[in-house]
Amino acid sequence: KNEVEQSPQNLTAQEGEFITINCSYSVGISALHWLQQHPGGGIVSLFMLSSGKKKHGRLIATINIQEKHSSLHITASHPRDSAVYICAVESRKRAGNQFYFGTGTSLTVIP
Amino acid sequence: DAGVIQSPRHEVTEMGQEVTLRCKPISGHNSLFWYRQTMMRGLELLIYFNNNVPIDDSGMPEDRFSAKMPNASFSTLKIQPSEPRDSAVYFCASSYFTIAGEGHNEQFFGPGTRLTVL
Repeated sequence: KNEVEQSPQNLTAQEGEFITINCSYSVGISALHWLQQHPGGGIVSLFMLSSGKKKHGRLIATINIQEKHSSLHITASHPRDSAVYICAVESRKRAGNQFYFGTGTSLTVIP
Repeated sequence: DAGVIQSPRHEVTEMGQEVTLRCKPISGHNSLFWYRQTMMRGLELLIYFNNNVPIDDSGMPEDRFSAKMPNASFSTLKIQPSEPRDSAVYFCASSYFTIAGEGHNEQFFGPGTRLTVL
């Protein structure tokens, strides 16, 4: 069983729709990261959060520590949001933090 | 700042050859990460350094892979000898890590090196 599970694996939306991508994890957490990878291959860090909620433009990330669950929301989606979104959990260990990655959610926003 | 710099951007080599990938992190960052990405396995963390010291190398696939960080502004990932299954995109990322913090701050990724081993 993977330590980090993302859903859905693939998502197609119409421009303007509200989008939610989910991430569940089974390990202890120091921080959770949301990454975005565009079709060209570049990877950008969107959020790092350990509690509550963060907002950046049309993107909102939330985390529920008790339920071991995080969501990434995109409001008023746009074709340029088409990308793969990866959830990564950082877990504190004695010798240093360990990272676990979800398999990614491929989002396509249609004009 | 120019961001994380990786070289080369593309590398094509023959099986058995030595491959060296290079990374220059963002100035002031004290953590550096090496990742590998393939279609089959997705994004995998190979190794990361804090303050030039390797912290977790459990993701390094085997002894053919080695990574060094001789100073705060340079790191290498070496594969010797290379095999076709090493073909992938290798990303380097850097961030700032505070001991008192909960985890690593936002990671900044380099453009990646696309490695093809024939």
